[in-house]
Parts: sequence; structure tokens; C-alpha cells
Amino acid sequence: SQQGEEDPQALSIQEGENATMNCSYKTSINNLQWYRQNSGRGLVHLILIRSNEREKHSGRLRVTLDTSKKSSSLLITASRAADTASYFCATGRGSTLTFGKGTMLLVSP
Amino acid sequence: DGGITQSPKYLFRKEGQNVTLSCEQNLNHDAMYWYRQDPGQGLRLIYYSQIVNDFQKGDIAEGYSVSREKKESFPLTVTSAQKNPTAFYLCASSPWTSGHITYEQYFGPGTRLTVT
Repeated sequence: SQQGEEDPQALSIQEGENATMNCSYKTSINNLQWYRQNSGRGLVHLILIRSNEREKHSGRLRVTLDTSKKSSSLLITASRAADTASYFCATGRGSTLTFGKGTMLLVSP
Repeated sequence: DGGITQSPKYLFRKEGQNVTLSCEQNLNHDAMYWYRQDPGQGLRLIYYSQIVNDFQKGDIAEGYSVSREKKESFPLTVTSAQKNPTAFYLCASSPWTSGHITYEQYFGPGTRLTVT
């Protein structure tokens, strides 16, 4: 069964605006990861946050993790048209990752 | 150039035929994975391997088979027993795995399989 569920399913914004995506999960995890997928391509790893961390930054990306609520959020600041893609959260438990269904982000110029 | 290669990019087969998808990595990673992605869906784990000559079933292994004879290679065979084989197949690798830590995965470009 899929562990992570992203919200919203789709998000449409203008260039320069911020985009926030949320992920909820059900069981304990050792870390949570976010990936990006451009249409018809493989996934690219964006950021990993460990279960004992609350916030992490990487460039224009900010990830938060609330293990008490079993939720995470990904914030992309000052979005660009090139950020248009699907974004997936993946929960790490044991040796494998479990992926959610993703959020489709469309950034219009 | 380090990375993961999958071939071919597009594959067409007739129903009832087995087909093998290739996945090769030169990242010296111990662990390799196969996922299936259907339209508008996330990734579902088919099989994974943490070491040569060993592999484990994922969530949807029925109708698929794998081998891991070399560290660099993890081919996936979609057998005629797979009821709905048409999908986008993604291969990934990671440095290593343990029971306690799940590392980031590096993905290949995918193979789109169409069975008619």
C-alpha cells in the first residue's frame, strides 16, 4: 500500500510565487525524501530529512517534518517555469522507499 | 559519465510474450530497485536487490522476475503471467541499504512498455 499521500494533487501558480506541497504518511519512518519527475522522465532526488530533524533547506527548497502529525511539507520559493514537474514524497522504512501519488506543479511564465 | 541506463526507451510487445528490460549502473551502488508507474500514479516497488545473487519481492512482484548476477546489472523480465504489463518501468540504485537507514535513490530514464 502507498504510505505517503501528497496534497494537493495539482497546483497551478505564476512565476515568482511560492509553491507548497504537503505529504502525510501512516507509520513510523527513518527518513522522508522528496523527488521531482519531469514528464516522461526518471525521478530526481531533491532533499532528505531524517526523522529527528524538523526543517531542512536546500537552495530554494524548504522541507519540514512533523513526526507527531506524520506529515511533511515542501516549499519551493520564487518558482520558475522550469520547476514545472510532478513532486513525490517517499517515506523510508527499513530498506525501501514507499512513494505517494505526487503533486503536479504547473508554473506559468 | 556516471549514472543509470535503461534500454530501450520504448518497447512494444504482443500479449503472451515475455520481455526483458535492461538496467545498468556504473555508480558502484550495492542496492538496485525496479518500480512500476501507471498514469497519474506514484511508484510501486516490484523487486529490489541489496547484494549480488540476492533479491526480494516488493509490493507487486507477481508476473515479474529478476536476476542479479553482476553488481552493475539488474534486468527485469515481464512475463506473460503479468495481467496488465503496459506501464512505465523505472530502475533505481542506492549506495547501500540497512534495516535502519533508507538512502536516496538514483533513477534511470525509464522504459515505456506497451503490450497489445
